[in-house]
Amino acid sequence: DAGVTQSPTHLIKTRGQQVTLRCSPKSGHDTVSWYQQALGQGPQFIFQYYEEEERQRGNFPDRFSGHQFPNYSSELNVNALLLGDSALYLCASSPRGRRSPLHFGNGTRLTVT
Amino acid sequence: AQKITQTQPGMFVQEKEAVTLDCTYDTSDPSYGLFWYKQPSSGEMIFLIYQGSYDQQNATEGRYSLNFQKARKSANLVISASQLGDSAMYFCAMRAPNSGGSNYKLTFGKGTLLTVNP
Repeated sequence: DAGVTQSPTHLIKTRGQQVTLRCSPKSGHDTVSWYQQALGQGPQFIFQYYEEEERQRGNFPDRFSGHQFPNYSSELNVNALLLGDSALYLCASSPRGRRSPLHFGNGTRLTVT
Repeated sequence: AQKITQTQPGMFVQEKEAVTLDCTYDTSDPSYGLFWYKQPSSGEMIFLIYQGSYDQQNATEGRYSLNFQKARKSANLVISASQLGDSAMYFCAMRAPNSGGSNYKLTFGKGTLLTVNP
């Protein structure tokens, strides 16, 4: 039973560029959430997707956008990258409508130079 | 606003001993949920234990137990019989208010780095 998988593992981008991160949820899960974890900090909620729509959003600018596909996988897009976007990006999945704990992936380490 | 405070940046414990990791929280929501996650150096956040605000008893999961003191707004994690593999970052988290009871949106503390010495 595969857990949450994220790709790529590491990524280096230049300021001003755009990046796309990918996530496949755990089998049986249909809801995906994205978190940003800066170095030395706890994760911060970016947004959550269910039924291919953004349902909740944290305090992040519009440069952060996402998408969910019919197979429940998801993408996180960040435009006009800033140095401060350097972080570990975590994807988490859960089954909708149940108070289940989030299952997280190993994350994508993004470095912006 | 909701807030999670973990005051111990780092903790050391000898193998086979018990350790307590502190967590205090602040919320005006009468219904809330508290979580503990473990993050090894691999980056993955691993769910350990959950406590609901209306749960009558403290949560336990194997070697993990949660010392829930509602009046003090604290939810400390107790790890018994520490193992070398317990060395990791530990995060306390709370379900966000107005989330419809869902667990998608969590507020995390800054974490505590636990080191287990042989």
